[in-house]
Amino acid sequence: QKEVEQNSGPLSVPEGAIASLNCTYSDRGSQSFFWYRQYSGKSPELIMSIYSNGDKEDGRFTAQLNKASQYVSLLIRDSQPSDSATYLCAVSGSGGYQKVTFGIGTKLQVIP
Amino acid sequence: EPEVTQTPSHQVTQMGQEVILRCVPISNHLYFYWYRQILGQKVEFLVSFYNNEISEKSEIFDDQFSVERPDGSNFTLKIRSTKLEDSAMYFCASRKEGFYNSPLHFGNGTRLTVT
Repeated sequence: QKEVEQNSGPLSVPEGAIASLNCTYSDRGSQSFFWYRQYSGKSPELIMSIYSNGDKEDGRFTAQLNKASQYVSLLIRDSQPSDSATYLCAVSGSGGYQKVTFGIGTKLQVIP
Repeated sequence: EPEVTQTPSHQVTQMGQEVILRCVPISNHLYFYWYRQILGQKVEFLVSFYNNEISEKSEIFDDQFSVERPDGSNFTLKIRSTKLEDSAMYFCASRKEGFYNSPLHFGNGTRLTVT
């Protein structure tokens, strides 16, 4: 059973702070890693994807991948109240046909 | 930007009835998926579909479920005899072919309520 583990939170950070969200996965063969944001009652929205070890930055978001430790993280700089949502870590193999497995998600609350 | 569209947005049905959830994937995508999310729980994989056949399905996707791509644009999920525990948000998603780094693109979901 391929598992993706996240702390469900809530993670509370003050406005302007850095939010750090973490995820571990069990399948060493995983090749593709995604972070989705989900507002309550809405569908998952892609924020970042990462495929190789290291950091990938996009605006206020930085994804970090360490395949040896089977660990993925997402940093959100200058957190805003509008960032308050559930952040889903998702993992898949390399083929387009392969399913994407989601973690439970971490609920982030940004306090004004 | 192209998007995945799902209809209806909300479906209420009685236990034992059949429901069909509809999706129009992004036009140049060739891998299609159904996921569901029970309130407060994780997004769970149901089934993936490629080249007009199921490529993978989960334990949840039993004989009560079926998928079909009846034409070049629609992708449907049918639940033959709904149960109370089928109440959930159902998401359709699609993905490009041939790119290992292609993410899933989700529709807005259909909220299914079984009474």
